[in-house]
Amino acid sequence: GIQVEQSPPDLILQEGANSTLRCNFSDSVNNLQWFHQNPWGQLINLFYIPSGTKQNGRLSATTVATERYSLLYISSSQTTDSGVYFCAVERSSNTGKLIFGQGTTLQVKP
Amino acid sequence: NAGVTQTPKFQVLKTGQSMTLQCAQDMNHEYMSWYRQDPGMGLRLIHYSVGAGITDQGEVPNGYNVSRSTTEDFPLRLLSAAPSQTSVYFCASRLSWAGELFFGEGSRLTVL
Repeated sequence: GIQVEQSPPDLILQEGANSTLRCNFSDSVNNLQWFHQNPWGQLINLFYIPSGTKQNGRLSATTVATERYSLLYISSSQTTDSGVYFCAVERSSNTGKLIFGQGTTLQVKP
Repeated sequence: NAGVTQTPKFQVLKTGQSMTLQCAQDMNHEYMSWYRQDPGMGLRLIHYSVGAGITDQGEVPNGYNVSRSTTEDFPLRLLSAAPSQTSVYFCASRLSWAGELFFGEGSRLTVL
């Protein structure tokens, strides 16, 4: 099956700092999404971004499908950004199976 | 709109017992899926459905059954629970084969 690797596995930031999270995948995809799991366990969809660049407030994401990676940028981080960030992908040849990476655990300190 | 609703939120079972985790969505989504989340393992796909009457296996389907008789509901059945099925289970849905995936709040299952 498709491999999804996220880096770094853990990240600690001071409030106000910027960060970049990376997602590498091993096959062609037609679906890529970023999620945030907050400390209470809720999973929130951040971006549906199979290609190109999107921005939502302090967060933005870029997917370069031809090079099989996606980046999530967090600017001016806040303590509420803490939690786990997941990338999930779906192979072009296997629609229906959205496969998750292991996640990046982010802790933002005040 | 309630979105994706899962019940129960917490459940304790004994080995060998059966139970059903319920999932309902009110967004008229064609696609629904079940994931389990274990520490250090991320989320793993159990089963999914692309529409009423259609289901397929995910990454870890063994020990679980599903059916999709209506667009709104996608229950997950454990016929004979095992301690290895102790986990947090998430139901999710999206409009069609593409698009944003929306999650329920999760169901924490403990099998003793």
